[in-house]
Amino acid sequence: KQEVTQIPAALSVPEGENLVLNCSFTDSAIYNLQWFRQDPGKGLTSLLLIQSSQREQTSGRLNASLDKSSGRSTLYIAASQPGDSATYLCAVDIIQGAQKLVFGQGTRLTINP
Amino acid sequence: SQTIHQWPATLVQPVGSPLSLECTVEGTSNPNLYWYRQAAGRGLQLLFYSVGIGQISSEVPQNLSASRPQDRQFILSSKKLLLSDSGFYLCAWTPKGGAYEQYFGPGTRLTVT
Repeated sequence: KQEVTQIPAALSVPEGENLVLNCSFTDSAIYNLQWFRQDPGKGLTSLLLIQSSQREQTSGRLNASLDKSSGRSTLYIAASQPGDSATYLCAVDIIQGAQKLVFGQGTRLTINP
Repeated sequence: SQTIHQWPATLVQPVGSPLSLECTVEGTSNPNLYWYRQAAGRGLQLLFYSVGIGQISSEVPQNLSASRPQDRQFILSSKKLLLSDSGFYLCAWTPKGGAYEQYFGPGTRLTVT
């Protein structure tokens, strides 16, 4: 059974810092990995999708990497801003075609002005 | 562009009452559709997914059911709610045929009293 773990559960940093969020999964047989952002009381917003054949994806200040063999992904946020405060979730796609996602518990990120 | 709607946004129901949550997607056809639940202090749990009209896969044994009466409509139901059914219910969709991002609706906050 695929399990996804995100460490740390919560992180608080001052504005302007670069930071890394971690995601690990137990079974390397995944198709894709997706990073999401969730604001309190809201739905999920997709940030980045990394296909299984890719090593990383970038969008603006965000960079996500994927190492399937070690079962790890990282989300790098550059020059953090207070508006980046949210819960960040990673999810792995375990069935080709059905896009059946298994989620981690998330990292609650607070950026202090 | 594609849009996903969920209603109601919030719902308070007594134990033993029925439930019907609705999700509709605009701007696409033949999507994969998903129902998730996010309980307090827990991660997202996939409840049901559907790859087509009338095709429902259940992931977790429970007193909930799902139906897809139309291509872009997904309904989550229960005949008798339990206290443990309280949570944040999220609908999501993804295009078929490749590695695509999964897109989430705004969610329904259900409180069973």
